[in-house]
Formats: sequence, structure tokens, C-alpha cells
Amino acid sequence: ILNVEQSPQSLHVQEGDSTNFTCSFPSSNFYALHWYRWETAKSPEALFVMTLNGDEKKKGRISATLNTKEGYSYLYIKGSQPEDSATYLCAFYTGTASKLTFGTGTRLQVTL
Amino acid sequence: DGGITQSPKYLFRKEGQNVTLSCEQNLNHDAMYWYRQDPGQGLRLIYYSQIVNDFQKGDIAEGYSVSREKKESFPLTVTSAQKNPTAFYLCASAPGTGSYEQYFGPGTRLTVT
Repeated sequence: ILNVEQSPQSLHVQEGDSTNFTCSFPSSNFYALHWYRWETAKSPEALFVMTLNGDEKKKGRISATLNTKEGYSYLYIKGSQPEDSATYLCAFYTGTASKLTFGTGTRLQVTL
Repeated sequence: DGGITQSPKYLFRKEGQNVTLSCEQNLNHDAMYWYRQDPGQGLRLIYYSQIVNDFQKGDIAEGYSVSREKKESFPLTVTSAQKNPTAFYLCASAPGTGSYEQYFGPGTRLTVT
């Protein structure tokens, strides 16, 4: 079973703060890295699917970078808002067996 | 409305009983997945199906069974052989596998006493 690690486990920031968290994955057999946002009482929702080393993707105030050679991805949130409060999951795909391996997530809480 | 439905939201069963969790999608997706979440752990894959009438075991398939008789439906049966069935179960679908984003249902919380 592949090891996908996310840090920190949880994070508490104030409204307006910018923040970032990390997803580490095996650097061999890379095919794709997914980021999902999971708000309480809702379904996980896809943020990004990243496939190329050096890739940078952006959706509003949220962006992500990918380093496949060293096996990590960063997710950045600029100017956090209370509605950004959620658990952020990353998931790794090796290109074989057609399945994702998820990390345990980073739980973000943004307060006023 | 396109999406994935799971029913029921909460399910209670006595130990020793089999129970089937429903998952339906109207997104015309080929691939469907079942995950389990336990406190402090990531989503763990139970079973997945890439096409109708075909499915594969995930990382924790023991004590579970599935069927994929129709493209839109992928029910999961939690059998009495599953040692720790109490968990939150999520179903997902995707147009294909791997680099396609997955679309998740709202989940079913199963409690077995």
C-alpha cells in the first residue's frame, strides 16, 4: 500500500491569513495527483488534478503546485475566508490498478 | 440534476446481519468506487469498477461484496464477515480512471451494534 502523507493534520487561521499545506507521495511511478475539498456535511469536491512536474493550478484564491521529482505538492489559500474551512485531501495515482490512494487530510478552520 | 445519490444517510444494523448500501449515478460515468472512512484515517478503497459487469478489489475488500449490473448502479454489501463494519461509506464515480477527478456522493454512516 502506497504512503501518502499530508501535513499539518489540522490548522487554525484567522480570516485574511494566507496558508499552505503539503502532500507528500512516492516520487516513483507518478501519474497524477488529485486535491479535494471536503466541507462538513457535504461531499468531497475536486479542486485540481495535476499530472505534470512543475504544474501550477489556480482556482480563485486557491492554488497548487506539483513537484513529482521530489514527491510533494503544496496547496495555497490566499486571504483565507470562513467558507474555506474544510478538510483538504490529496490523492495519488500511479497509473496502474486504476485507483487513488488518499492522504489523511489537512483540516483547516478559518475564524473571524 | 446530475449527480451521485447514496441511501440511506444513516443506517443501523445488528451484528451478524448483512446490509446493502445503495449508490446511483446519472453522470454516465464508466468508473465507480466505494471508500470507507474511519476517524483519523484517509479514505480507503473497498472496491472499484471500471465498466459494467466488472469490478476489482481495493485495499480493504475483505467482508464486502459488490455488483455492477447496470452502469448507473454500484451497490455495496457489508457482510457479517466484516469485523469492524461501523464506519462512514462514500461512493464515487468518474468518467474514467486515474487522471479523471472523482465525483462523490453524500455518504452513508453505518452503525452496527
